[in-house]
Amino acid sequence: GESVGLHLPTLSVQEGDNSIINCAYSNSASDYFIWYKQESGKGPQFIIDIRSNMDKRQGQRVTVLLNKTVKHLSLQIAATQPGDSAVYFCAEGEGGSYIPTFGRGTSLIVHP
Amino acid sequence: DAGITQSPRHKVTETGTPVTLRCHQTENHRYMYWYRQDPGHGLRLIHYSYGVKDTDKGEVSDGYSVSRSKTEDFLLTLESATSSQTSVYFCAISENTGELFFGEGSRLTVL
Repeated sequence: GESVGLHLPTLSVQEGDNSIINCAYSNSASDYFIWYKQESGKGPQFIIDIRSNMDKRQGQRVTVLLNKTVKHLSLQIAATQPGDSAVYFCAEGEGGSYIPTFGRGTSLIVHP
Repeated sequence: DAGITQSPRHKVTETGTPVTLRCHQTENHRYMYWYRQDPGHGLRLIHYSYGVKDTDKGEVSDGYSVSRSKTEDFLLTLESATSSQTSVYFCAISENTGELFFGEGSRLTVL
């Protein structure tokens, strides 16, 4: 079937490299940001979130950086593995809103 | 994994026929959403619900209606399917701000 990854920005990396996926957001009033991972044929899954009062948050092999000055969000994946191959979406929202706005996504391809 | 079940997972139908997609959750989450996903467009919100019988439109609601008669079920109806509604439809649930749990998707093809 047609891949959700078509027409998306693509990042290709070698297994073991670090990956950085970027996201520009538009709403300066957004105060929460979330990264989702979507594997082929599946629904998006929550990876990590960050609030606007933070500029960095770390999880297991992932780090999210937030630069509110330039409205930029990034997801860093350490020691990228083939299982990390997926489409990654950022989402933003304002406090009290249960309707996040999703970005278009970036396709990450990890070569063994 | 969050308890979300979408049905049917795949459906092929003809233009002009009615279609209903069902989302069932076992998490008792307050918020439920229907998104469609198309190449190049990412996830676009169709409708959402913030409680039983409480629903509102998203950015691409034309041609779709929803109903939520019970906390656990959120139905998406295409009264008269068109080819432009060929897509993958995702249901999602949420209890906390912004953190959505998605179902596995329903692939709809309208011929």
